[in-house]
Amino acid sequence: DAGVTQSPTHLIKTRGQQVTLRCSPKSGHDTVSWYQQALGQGPQFIFQYYEEEERQRGNFPDRFSGHQFPNYSSELNVNALLLGDSALYLCASSFGYVDNSPLHFGNGTRLTVT
Amino acid sequence: AQTVTQSQPEMSVQEAETVTLSCTYDTSESNYYLFWYKQPPSRQMILVIRQEAYKQQNATENRFSVNFQKAAKSFSLKISDSQLGDTAMYFCACSPQTSYDKVIFGPGTSLSVIP
Repeated sequence: DAGVTQSPTHLIKTRGQQVTLRCSPKSGHDTVSWYQQALGQGPQFIFQYYEEEERQRGNFPDRFSGHQFPNYSSELNVNALLLGDSALYLCASSFGYVDNSPLHFGNGTRLTVT
Repeated sequence: AQTVTQSQPEMSVQEAETVTLSCTYDTSESNYYLFWYKQPPSRQMILVIRQEAYKQQNATENRFSVNFQKAAKSFSLKISDSQLGDTAMYFCACSPQTSYDKVIFGPGTSLSVIP
């Protein structure tokens, strides 16, 4: 039973560029959430997708956008990258929107912006 | 709004001993969940234990137990019989019942288990 998988593992980009991160949820899960974890800090909620729509959003600018596909996988897009966007990006999946099924996290994508 | 505070940036414990990690939180929600997550060097966030705020009984999971003091908004984690594999970052977290996936994490406590 595959867990949450994220790609790529590491990524280096230059300021001003755009980046796309990908996430495949755990088998049987239909809800995907994205978190940003800066070095030495706890993760911060970016947004959540369910039924291909953004359902909830944290305090992040519009440069952060996402998408969910019919197979429940998801992408996180960040435009006009800033040095401060350097972080570990975690994807988490669960079953059922507003249900209380536990979150399952992937191993993250480490993004470095130079 | 919700906030989670962990006042111990780093802790260490001898193998087989017991250690307690502290956490305080603040929320305006009447129904919410509290969590402890573990993040080893592999970076994957792993759920250690979960507590529903409406339940008075403290949650336990094998060697892990919590002391939930709702009035004080305190949620500490006790690890008994510490093992080398317990070495990791530990995050206290909270989410409202109506927005379960919108988890607010604390800054973390780095726990080292010493052989």
